[in-house]
Amino acid sequence: GAGVSQSPSNKVTEKGKDVELRCDPISGHTALYWYRQSLGQGLEFLIYFQGNSAPDKSGLPSDRFSAERTGGSVSTLTIQRTQQEDSAVYLCASFRSGVSGANVLTFGAGSRLTVL
Amino acid sequence: DAKTTQPPSMDCAEGRAANLPCNHSTISGNEYVYWYRQIHSQGPQYIIHGLKNNETNEMASLIITEDRKSSTLILPHATLRDTAVYYCIVRVGMPGNTPLVFGKGTRLSVIA
Repeated sequence: GAGVSQSPSNKVTEKGKDVELRCDPISGHTALYWYRQSLGQGLEFLIYFQGNSAPDKSGLPSDRFSAERTGGSVSTLTIQRTQQEDSAVYLCASFRSGVSGANVLTFGAGSRLTVL
Repeated sequence: DAKTTQPPSMDCAEGRAANLPCNHSTISGNEYVYWYRQIHSQGPQYIIHGLKNNETNEMASLIITEDRKSSTLILPHATLRDTAVYYCIVRVGMPGNTPLVFGKGTRLSVIA
């Protein structure tokens, strides 16, 4: 697609429920990031997929968080047993890897998660 | 990635040039300077990048000092819509093996 698409744009859930957030990167972009941003805070790195390499999961805050990327394209971020502190905007970004020179991230509009 | 230092906040009068500084004294020869901005409630947006030479595009200009230890992003005629958090990032050109991490940036307030 023309841009990075994320869904849902807004999700309200109850504490303890599982949620899935989806990211559809730009066609041809082989590298993908997930970040989250709590209200009034900066961007917090969560996970990084680059091509066929093992993902860098060093930013995931707990084992309740997981992400996968199927077929090198669409990615799903799953949060199990949600807690109120998980409330944030979850942002996905993609870029073309394997291209020499500068790399530029293109971000989606984000998924706003509210855990009641 | 080289560490960057930015002022936490700046004000600029509408119509004036906004000059946002960034220090990156430990930059390596193969690292680029990137600028992104995040307008409230939106995802970050790429602005410009450079390696050694000054760069200009439709959004902004990037001035990099000769020793590459600092740079300035210039918005030539700031508007209210330029109010945002501006992030300066220094990173190698290839995707790299480490995550791209955003610092706290500079919160630019454009005042009417």
